[in-house]
This record gives sequence, structure tokens and C-alpha cells, in this order.
Amino acid sequence: GAVVSQHPSWVICKSGTSVKIECRSLDFQATTMFWYRQFPKQSLMLMATSNEGSKATYEQGVEKDKFLINHASLTLSTLTVTSAHPEDSSFYICSAEPIFKDSYNSPLHFGNGTRLTVT
Amino acid sequence: AQKVTQAQTEISVVEKEDVTLDCVYETRDTTYYLFWYKQPPSGELVFLIRRNSFDEQNEISGRYSWNFQKSTSSFNFTITASQVVDSAVYFCALNTGGFKTIFGAGTRLFVKA
Repeated sequence: GAVVSQHPSWVICKSGTSVKIECRSLDFQATTMFWYRQFPKQSLMLMATSNEGSKATYEQGVEKDKFLINHASLTLSTLTVTSAHPEDSSFYICSAEPIFKDSYNSPLHFGNGTRLTVT
Repeated sequence: AQKVTQAQTEISVVEKEDVTLDCVYETRDTTYYLFWYKQPPSGELVFLIRRNSFDEQNEISGRYSWNFQKSTSSFNFTITASQVVDSAVYFCALNTGGFKTIFGAGTRLFVKA
């Protein structure tokens, strides 16, 4: 149980184009999903918290207009990197927290990540 | 402020050796949760353990064991008789009850055959 699917697993795009990454909770509902960014050999940095039916909450320093987040249903959140540039190349990972937890603060369930390369 | 420190950037061991990965955390909250995750070369994050602040019992799961000591704010992870498949980056993480989980910088473990 508690499977999170992330698509695509990797994508190469040209500078200036936009890329959409999907995060789906396959066997549970999630009002909250999280988007992390990981540069090579670095830790995960939370970019934003995606809330179903409302605006995402962005961490300090993350550009809202560049990283558009939509959480239209209880099982899907999308991250769109707009007008991508080479410095946006990174590993993006989503995670989701089930609405109904077996105990407080269940582990975050992570997708397999999306490796974005902007040329 | 909340913080997770994994002072060991990289560790290299020979197969069958025991290895301990250190994690020191900082928080003023009395209720918090600590996690360990494994990230193999393929990139996905694999949950290993969750421990809440009221449970200081050490835990053993196969070759893995965890030592939680509130007195030193540490939550160390030991792999006994390491194997090549244990090679990965290991992250310690802290959550204080809100939605934000803070990750340490990670420790890259190399296990040589």
C-alpha cells in the first residue's frame, strides 16, 4: 500500500520550454503533497506544499511563477517548471501524506523522482 | 530552529564490516518524529524507520539497528555485516508535527566487495 507514482521519471527539454511533472497517490487519498528538489550529491530541499483545492505554500526563495503547482484532486498534484533554464536541471521528488493515517505522522511516501535536464 | 546534522559525508567500508551512521538533531519541540530514509543510486527514497520523541527504545530490524538518545539529541543508525547492496545515500529527517520534514545532508555509504 501507500504507493506514489511520479511521471515522467526523466525528461530532457530545451531552454525556454515548460515541463510538467505529475505526482499521483495510487492507493490512497492525499490532501497534502510535497515537492522537493535535490541537486547532485545534496539533500532534499522542500520547495512547496501542495494543498488540494487551494493554493500551494512555497518555501522561501522558491519562485511561485516559475514552479507552478496544481493539486486538483485528492490523488494528483502537478509541478510545472515554466520557461526552464539549465540551472533548473535537478532531481524533483514528490511525496504524499495519506488523509487517513495509521498513526500520527506516518512516514512520507515518496515518488521515484523526475530527473530534469534542461539543455 | 530545527536542524538535522549528518556529519559524515561519505563512509567507505568493506563488506561484512559494521558501520554506524550518525545523526544529530536540534529542536525545541517536545514532540517530534525522526526518520531514516535510504536513497539507492536509482534515486527513489525508501523509508526505513520512524521514531517518536516519547519512545527511546532502540530498535533492531534484521541487520539494521537504531540508537535513539534524547540526552545527546542523536538518532544513530548501524548496519551490521554490511553488504554491497547497502551502498546508498542515507538521510536522517526530523518532523515536529507540522507538515514540514527537514532532511539532513545525507551520508553516502560505499560498501566494497
